[in-house]
This record gives sequence, C-alpha cells and structure tokens, in this order.
Amino acid sequence: DAGITQSPRHKVTETGTPVTLRCHQTENHRYMYWYRQDPGHGLRLIHYSYGVKDTDKGEVSDGYSVSRSKTEDFLLTLESATSSQTSVYFCAISDPTGTSYGYTFGSGTRLTVV
Amino acid sequence: KNQVEQSPQSLIILEGKNCTLQCNYTVSPFSNLRWYKQDTGRGPVSLTIMTFSENTKSNGRYTATLDADTKQSSLHITASQLSDSASYICVVSANSGGYQKVTFGTGTKLQVIP
Repeated sequence: DAGITQSPRHKVTETGTPVTLRCHQTENHRYMYWYRQDPGHGLRLIHYSYGVKDTDKGEVSDGYSVSRSKTEDFLLTLESATSSQTSVYFCAISDPTGTSYGYTFGSGTRLTVV
Repeated sequence: KNQVEQSPQSLIILEGKNCTLQCNYTVSPFSNLRWYKQDTGRGPVSLTIMTFSENTKSNGRYTATLDADTKQSSLHITASQLSDSASYICVVSANSGGYQKVTFGTGTKLQVIP
C-alpha cells in the first residue's frame, strides 16, 4: 500500500450522520477511485476522479459524494449514513499514461453504521 | 452486461500442494485481465496482468493463463505456502471510449493449512 493511505481505518457512526473518508496519495497519479466491498459482491465503483475537480459517478453512487481539490487527496462523503452503507471502502489510484493501467489499493476503511 | 465469475468460491488445501483457480468472463471489448491477491484486512495487490495476445504470465509460484477465445483464465499456485491464504480476485478491463471499464469478480477464498 506504499504511496496511498486511507483514514480512518475503522469508524462506527450512527444512522443519519454525515461521514467523510479520506484517501491520500503520494504517487501523483491522475486517477483516483472509491470502491466498496461487500460479501457476495465484487468491488463496486462508487465514484472516480480523473483530475483535480474532475469527478464522475460509478455504478453505486447514490448516497455518496466526492471531492478532489488537490491531486493527492480524494474525499468520499456519506451525506446521511444508512445501515446499507456499512461496508469496507477502498481507495485506489492508477496512472493511465503507463502501460498497465494498474491499480494500487489502499488498506481500506471499515465503516459500520448503527 | 459485463460479468466476471470465479470458481470455486472457497478452497482449502494442504501446505505444499498445488491448486488452480478459475475465472470466466463476458467482458467486451476485452482489454486486459488481472489477478489480485487480497490478504485479510488489506487492499488487493496485483499479481499478474495479461493482454489479448498473452496466454501465460508467471510471477514466482503464481502462473496465470488466458484463453481469449473461450474467455477463461486460470491462476495456478505451485507448492502452496501458508502465506498464500487469501482471497484471489479476477479483474477484467474493457475499452470504453478511451476509458477502461473494470469489472471485478467476487473472488476465491483460499486457505492453506499445515
């Protein structure tokens, strides 16, 4: 996970409260992504960013918003957390100017909404 | 709809034995296929990547194969070690208007026992 860190690693929050997860990279990669991982599902894309202030929705974006004011930081906000958003959230980075379009993932944030 | 199916869902093998994990996909137009290893509580880490023209790629004791005609891939682990206990995720990318659309499988959970 060198070059990409997520915070916090664990969080418990109450239904209806806002929550912000942070992803920080030191690789200067252009693309950043937020995924959620749930049992029985593959990683599902929530939102992604292809540059500062350039973001777009993924397949499960409802209830989530993102912001990217600097290349190195990508924030995921749950405006009003619900129990269905209990999940493990992964941030990933990639540099499509390279040959492999490979992803580097963070270590994840385990979010529990009670 | 792009899909990636992995089998088996879980597998238990004795240390030192070999095993093969399977991945079938219906992703089009195909760009590349990756295998990731995900240790418990960590983010996925890339093991191999194969493009359309490659049918075998090795990374130490891990060997991935790709049959683009039948849209199947396998990951073979030789002389398994306890540290191989993890989930293995097949990820297939499709070209979509200059952007790589990525579909994740749900993974095979491998447990290596002494």
